[in-house]
Amino acid sequence: GAVVSQHPSWVICKSGTSVKIECRSLDFQATTMFWYRQFPKQSLMLMATSNEGSKATYEQGVEKDKFLINHASLTLSTLTVTSAHPEDSSFYICSASPWSSYNSPLHFGNGTRLTVT
Amino acid sequence: SQQGEEDPQALSIQEGENATMNCSYKTSINNLQWYRQNSGRGLVHLILIRSNEREKHSGRLRVTLDTSKKSRSLLITASRAADTASYFCATAVSTSGTYKYIFGTGTRLKVLA
Repeated sequence: GAVVSQHPSWVICKSGTSVKIECRSLDFQATTMFWYRQFPKQSLMLMATSNEGSKATYEQGVEKDKFLINHASLTLSTLTVTSAHPEDSSFYICSASPWSSYNSPLHFGNGTRLTVT
Repeated sequence: SQQGEEDPQALSIQEGENATMNCSYKTSINNLQWYRQNSGRGLVHLILIRSNEREKHSGRLRVTLDTSKKSRSLLITASRAADTASYFCATAVSTSGTYKYIFGTGTRLKVLA
């Protein structure tokens, strides 16, 4: 149980276009989902916390208008990279938990590798 | 920065040996979780240790608390080639009525067959 599906697993786009990444909780409801960005051989950097039915909470330094997050249902959150540029190329990972608890383990999608040419 | 510091950054050992990686945060933490990440994949939860626990076991995994160094260690015993992966510690941080998870810098483990 507690499966998180992320799609697409990889995407190549041209500079200036927008890309949407989906994160779905397949067998549980998630009021909160987290979006991370990871550079090669580095750790996960939290970008934003996605809250169902309300605005996402962005971390300091993350552009809200650049990385649009929508959490329209209890099983789906989307991250849209708008007007992508080569510096946006990275590995994006979402996560969620079936329980809203401090001690709940996170379940992760398999990530999306974005390459902007 | 709230990010956890892990050491070593990279570790290479022979199959059958034990692997130890440490995680420390500058601020006090309530619990600590460990995750594993295979190359190019998402993370998988391994084990959680609460602030009032000194040690916890799960199969070949053992997590211990070092009060003098304010850090927690993950020990993988009798390592296997399949244990080759990156390992991250993470802690939940309360913020504005909710919480978020902050990950450590990670340890890249390579187990040689």
